[in-house]
Formats: sequence, structure tokens, C-alpha cells
Amino acid sequence: GAGVSQSPSNKVTEKGKDVELRCDPISGHTALYWYRQSLGQGLEFLIYFQGNSAPDKSGLPSDRFSAERTGGSVSTLTIQRTQQEDSAVYLCASSLTGVEQPQHFGDGTRLSIL
Amino acid sequence: SQQGEEDPQALSIQEGENATMNCSYKTSINNLQWYRQNSGRGLVHLILIRSNEREKHSGRLRVTLDTSKKSSSLLITASRAADTASYFCATDPNTGNQFYFGTGTSLTVIP
Repeated sequence: GAGVSQSPSNKVTEKGKDVELRCDPISGHTALYWYRQSLGQGLEFLIYFQGNSAPDKSGLPSDRFSAERTGGSVSTLTIQRTQQEDSAVYLCASSLTGVEQPQHFGDGTRLSIL
Repeated sequence: SQQGEEDPQALSIQEGENATMNCSYKTSINNLQWYRQNSGRGLVHLILIRSNEREKHSGRLRVTLDTSKKSSSLLITASRAADTASYFCATDPNTGNQFYFGTGTSLTVIP
């Protein structure tokens, strides 16, 4: 079956522009995570969606970051008024039920802010 | 930070040798997972070990967990060039929804 799909794979934009990143999780997975990975670093948790529960937004670094998950499936991560420090790889993962299950990752969106 | 820390940061070995990576963490956990990441790709789940387990095997992988020391190790036996990747441990603390990833060990297996 299809894995986690992220688009675009690469995004280059100018400082101050808004960007929208998309994640299609594995069908039937109720948990969805967004992470940020800076060059050569580990993963920084951003946000967690679980079913119809309110998302855990505790990892979002500023109010310029927001995320939605429509219909319990596709998720979009939006970064407004991008800054150069937002440059990173943004990874999405889904799991069957939650943190007690393995996470399945997409290949990420590499975001470059000029 | 509640992140795990992998040790060493980088490891270079000859094909056929064993590779051992260590992970230390700070809080009590429900489970610990190991992932690998090839350059430019997402992470791939390798193995999950629960807090009440001490050792787990999967193919050429062996994971140990010592909750008293808050540490885990990943052993890859009979390494292959295709094992070249970064390896991350991730912990599921028994509070909240966050999943904490370490900074990774970069493994290079020389053919």
C-alpha cells in the first residue's frame, strides 16, 4: 500500500512569503505528526493530531506556524511570513493509533528561505 | 531538553564488523524506538522495545534497554555497506503526546 506522501518535495521561497506544506498519511492511521529537521540535527516535534481530538500544538515555535488536518486524513502545515531560520526539512509521520505505535514517515519537504 | 542523546555522533566501520550505538534519555518512558534515515529520505522504523522489556532482536539488529540507567543500545551485526545511514532513538515519555528523537549516530560502513 501507499506510504506517507508529502508535497512539494522541495520549496524555495523569499523571506516574508507564506508557504503551505501537505501531508497525505497512510489510510486508516489516526495519528499524524509534523517534525522539523535542521541540517545534521535530530527531529524537533511541531504538532500532533489524534483522531477528532484537539491537536497538541505545544511544539510550534511561533504563531507564524499553524496546521490543519481535514477529515482526519490530509494535513497541511502553514508557515506565514517566512524567515530564514525556517529553512529546514519538514517531515510528516503517521501511526495507526498513537505514540505507542511505530511511526511511518514521508520523505519530507525541503524548505529554503532566501 | 527531554531528547535522547546518541553516542557516538559518528561511527565508521568495515563491512562485516558489528556496529554499536548507544542512546541515553532523561525521563521515564513507555517505549523506546530506533529509526534509520538514509540521506535525503524520511525515517524508517527499525524496532520498538517496551519499558518492561530488556532485549529485543530483529534480523541482524539487537536492541537492549536498561531503564535504571535510562539507556539503550542498538547493535547491528555483520554490517553491510547498505547499512550506511543515520540512526536515531526516540522515546515515548509516559506524559503527553510528544515523541522525542535524539540527535542521531551517523554510521558509515566501508565496503
